[in-house]
Amino acid sequence: SQQGEEDPQALSIQEGENATMNCSYKTSINNLQWYRQNSGRGLVHLILIRSNEREKHSGRLRVTLDTSKKSSSLLITASRAADTASYFCATDLTREANNLFFGTGTRLTVIP
Amino acid sequence: DTEVTQTPKHLVMGMTNKKSLKCEQHMGHRAMYWYKQKAKKPPELMFVYSYEKLSINESVPSRFSPECPNSSLLNLHLHALQPEDSALYLCASSPRGRGLTTEAFFGQGTRLTVV
Repeated sequence: SQQGEEDPQALSIQEGENATMNCSYKTSINNLQWYRQNSGRGLVHLILIRSNEREKHSGRLRVTLDTSKKSSSLLITASRAADTASYFCATDLTREANNLFFGTGTRLTVIP
Repeated sequence: DTEVTQTPKHLVMGMTNKKSLKCEQHMGHRAMYWYKQKAKKPPELMFVYSYEKLSINESVPSRFSPECPNSSLLNLHLHALQPEDSALYLCASSPRGRGLTTEAFFGQGTRLTVV
């Protein structure tokens, strides 16, 4: 049961530019997380935003959450070639804790 | 130790074989997860263990059988798989066994090929 959809599916930018990815989900959540995955490897947690938060920052990352629209965005500022990866949002469902469902993902390519 | 370790890294098995995937963490986490990921797709949740008890089973075929022998170990037993089961199998753990989901730590996965 896939919870979220992300857009764009793929994004290609020049090094130094900002990258914005969007995530929409279907049902009420406790929190929303963003993960990064390098090709064929495990996922790495980037940031978690709770349902009562609207914005969160971590280094070059900025995440927003709009629970009324059931959407979130991830902004990566001043991108680097090393940011090239797939980015996934993940949500849990308020009716069931300890689940974690991933969105469809955005494949980001940063061109040096 | 902040790692989730999965073994083996690669596995090729025939449709009549029985094999097991293993996952280990020593962070004291009380929730452990199995995910299946096909190429260019997101991870799909298969099973969740909370305090060593199976809490979520996402309608996974019985040819996949999870086991959590203790709080540090998670196994996935495989039997009579089909070629379409070929995928990257990811294990993850998170600190809380109950309550709000928190950050999950992922292993590097087992690349499974069924021939």
